[in-house]
Amino acid sequence: AQSVTQLGSHVSVSEGALVLLRCNYSSSVPPYLFWYVQYPNQGLQLLLKYTSAATLVKGINGFEAEFKKSETSFHLTKPSAHMSDAAEYFCAVSEVASGTYKYIFGTGTRLKVLA
Amino acid sequence: NAGVTQTPKFRILKIGQSMTLQCTQDMNHNYMYWYRQDPGMGLKLIYYSVGAGITDKGEVPNGYNVSRSTTEDFPLRLELAAPSQTSVYFCASTLTGAGYTFGSGTRLTVV
Repeated sequence: AQSVTQLGSHVSVSEGALVLLRCNYSSSVPPYLFWYVQYPNQGLQLLLKYTSAATLVKGINGFEAEFKKSETSFHLTKPSAHMSDAAEYFCAVSEVASGTYKYIFGTGTRLKVLA
Repeated sequence: NAGVTQTPKFRILKIGQSMTLQCTQDMNHNYMYWYRQDPGMGLKLIYYSVGAGITDKGEVPNGYNVSRSTTEDFPLRLELAAPSQTSVYFCASTLTGAGYTFGSGTRLTVV
């Protein structure tokens, strides 16, 4: 079964600095991969997704992620952090099992942006 | 287009009480899911459905029940509420595996 590991439950960056949130998955078979963002007291919003079309995936709000099969990683980056990026970020893997698509979520990384 | 609608947004239950969390989607998605979110634990799958009349257990189904009588609706039932069920519950749906649509969540406290 798939598993997802997010390194760092809390990450702090200064406004304008690079954002790097780490995600590693367990399978050797390239799955679907996703990053979701959750703002306080809200649901999860899709930031971007990898579906094997391209290894560098661009998402909303200036975020992007690179799929690296050799490293089983799908790290999320943004060149310059904004205050509005403060939120919790979840990496997820999609697998097909028991006739349905199932997402396996990481435990989340809370991003704090310092003025 | 409302997407996935969850009601209520907040609820406080006493131990032993029952309640139903409602979830409705208007996108004609076959696949629907219930997750619970606890701090530092990510999201855990409670139950899922691949279509009307078909449901199955996820990772943490104990204490919950579901039904799927229509494509649109996927209610989650708590029969005997326990403090361990204090959590935020999210409903989600998808047409394919390429992205879920989530509801805004129900914050449940059991006291």
